[in-house]
Amino acid sequence: GQQLNQSPQSMFIQEGEDVSMNCTSSSIFNTWLWYKQDPGEGPVLLIALYKAGELTSNGRLTAQFGITRKDSFLNISASIPSDVGIYFCAGLEISGGGADGLTFGKGTHLIIQP
Amino acid sequence: SQTIHQWPATLVQPVGSPLSLECTVEGTSNPNLYWYRQAAGRGLQLLFYSVGIGQISSEVPQNLSASRPQDRQFILSSKKLLLSDSGFYLCAWSVRVGQPQHFGDGTRLSIL
Repeated sequence: GQQLNQSPQSMFIQEGEDVSMNCTSSSIFNTWLWYKQDPGEGPVLLIALYKAGELTSNGRLTAQFGITRKDSFLNISASIPSDVGIYFCAGLEISGGGADGLTFGKGTHLIIQP
Repeated sequence: SQTIHQWPATLVQPVGSPLSLECTVEGTSNPNLYWYRQAAGRGLQLLFYSVGIGQISSEVPQNLSASRPQDRQFILSSKKLLLSDSGFYLCAWSVRVGQPQHFGDGTRLSIL
C-alpha cells in the first residue's frame, strides 16, 4: 500500500522561529492535505493542494504540492504558542473502485519553547 | 455550515463486551463517510468508508464492522471487543470522492 514518510518526527523551536516539515511518497497522489491535531481532538484541515506545483497560503502557513506529485512541504512563519500540536500530511488517491481513504504520514510534533 | 458529531468522547469497556460508536453529519446530503483508528504516536488508519446508505467497504479485516442506516449516520460496532481494539477512533466526512475529509473530535476507547 501507499506509504508517506513525514519528517521531522518532532521539532523543538523558539517562539518566533520559522518551521518547515515535509512528506515524501513512493507513489503519486492526486491531492495533498495538511492537518493539525491538538491533544484529544480530531485533525483539523489546514491546507488542501490539488495540482502539481501548486503553492497555497493560509495566514502564516504555506504549503506546496511537489512537481513530481510525490512530495509536499508545509512552512509556518513566525511561530506562536498556539502552533503547538501534531501536524499530519495526507495523500489522497482516487482508486478505480471509488475508494478515497487518506494515507497519513506519522506526524510532526511541534513544540515551542518560550 | 456542515458539522460532524461523534459520541461518546471516551469509553471504557471490558474485553468481550460489545461496542457501538455513532457519528452523524449535519448540513450536507449524501456525504462520503469514513471511520479511522489512530494508535498512540501514529497516523490514522482507514477502517471503513461509505459512499451511500447501506454501502460499506472495509479496508482492514478485523473485529469491527460498520453500518450506515441513514444518509448522515455512520456506526462502528463490534460484537466482542479485544484488547487490541483500544485506540482513538475518528469519523470523517467529505462532500464527494477526491475532496478533503473533515474529522469529528474522536472517541477514546480503552479496553480493560
